[in-house]
Amino acid sequence: DAGVIQSPRHEVTEMGQEVTLRCKPISGHDYLFWYRQTMMRGLELLIYFNNNVPIDDSGMPEDRFSAKMPNASFSTLKIQPSEPRDSAVYFCASSPEPGLAGGPDYNEQFFGPGTRLTVL
Amino acid sequence: AQSVTQLDSQVPVFEEAPVELRCNYSSSVSVYLFWYVQYPNQGLQLLLKYLSGSTLVKGINGFEAEFNKSQTSFHLRKPSVHISDTAEYFCAVIASNDYKLSFGAGTTVTVRA
Repeated sequence: DAGVIQSPRHEVTEMGQEVTLRCKPISGHDYLFWYRQTMMRGLELLIYFNNNVPIDDSGMPEDRFSAKMPNASFSTLKIQPSEPRDSAVYFCASSPEPGLAGGPDYNEQFFGPGTRLTVL
Repeated sequence: AQSVTQLDSQVPVFEEAPVELRCNYSSSVSVYLFWYVQYPNQGLQLLLKYLSGSTLVKGINGFEAEFNKSQTSFHLRKPSVHISDTAEYFCAVIASNDYKLSFGAGTTVTVRA
């Protein structure tokens, strides 16, 4: 398997522009997670999906951020309008059915290479 | 809520020397613990995890960690590091009734010849 695929790997945009980040999870994985990594705040979970349905979006910073998962093999994270403080590395991760966290069928989250976003 | 504290932000170490990365956590419920590694310009990769059972956990690349419930710690160790171990290391925790990982701030390990 190719692993979790993210595109683009790098994105530079002007403040106010719309940005769309894309993720293809590992085939067969039921869970998909979006994280943001910054120097100031470290790694933060933004949102996660189970079977294409958003389960917890409490980490989404504000209404400018939205995420969708139209099917099991594709997810997007959109920022509209973008601001310089959105500059960060955005990671997508996927996981097979984890069951109860820590249970005997608990599985790790597999991370993509990330998208480095710079908003000027 | 859970939180993770990695006590060292930077750890320089010479090749073939041992290394220990410290991690403490706090939680009001049972948790499960993980160490991830991030090589430059790459995503995170799982090194090892503690779910239950033996408190000494062995992972990939010769790393091991010990869960200490009384001290709420999960320190990572390697007896002899290589140049290729230069990376950032993250400790993470998940509550037993949740699916969300909480990460520490990370420890950058730089291995010198």
